[in-house]
Amino acid sequence: NAGVTQTPKFRILKIGQSMTLQCAQDMNHNYMYWYRQDPGMGLKLIYYSVGAGITDKGEVPNGYNVSRSTTEDFPLRLELAAPSQTSVYFCASSYYIAGGQTYEQYFGPGTRLTVT
Amino acid sequence: ELKVEQNPLFLSMQEGKNYTIYCNYSTTSDRLYWYRQDPGKSLESLFVLLSNGAVKQEGRLMASLDTKARLSTLHITAAVHDLSATYFCAVASLRGSQGNLIFGKGTKLSVKP
Repeated sequence: NAGVTQTPKFRILKIGQSMTLQCAQDMNHNYMYWYRQDPGMGLKLIYYSVGAGITDKGEVPNGYNVSRSTTEDFPLRLELAAPSQTSVYFCASSYYIAGGQTYEQYFGPGTRLTVT
Repeated sequence: ELKVEQNPLFLSMQEGKNYTIYCNYSTTSDRLYWYRQDPGKSLESLFVLLSNGAVKQEGRLMASLDTKARLSTLHITAAVHDLSATYFCAVASLRGSQGNLIFGKGTKLSVKP
């Protein structure tokens, strides 16, 4: 298994540009997540998905969009990039059934994004 | 609104010593997670704690959960240099859901010989 993969690893954007961060998992996990981590800080949840076709906002969703058309993929779209979106972005996945056993989250390697 | 506070934020330890990292959270939750992050790397899951009084141990790390006090501890026994990393706790903000995890700011641990 490759686990959770993210592309690209690094990206520099100009203000106002758009891009999509790709995330894929091959563990048949139902939950997938996007976090951002600013320097010296913990992670903040942007969006998450409990299964294909279902997404929900986290703490900091403004300026981002997501979709989940398959179990495996969960892309994050940045529209009109702003310097405040400079951060490291982590995708994660887990398997969870309410009332059942809780499993750990698996994180991807991250995408380092700079907006100038 | 759920808030998660870790302390200390920075910890410099001598090898062989013991220490405890604390994670307090402000509202009721039914699960708490501990993660490790090495510099420039991704996060690695350490423990998932689900019930009051839960204790889990892996090597020199032991995590516990007191849901009544809304407190989790990560105890380090006889620290070694390899444990140098940043440790995060995260708390589920919705009962019965793994969706919305709120992270603490992290504790940066440095173990010196």
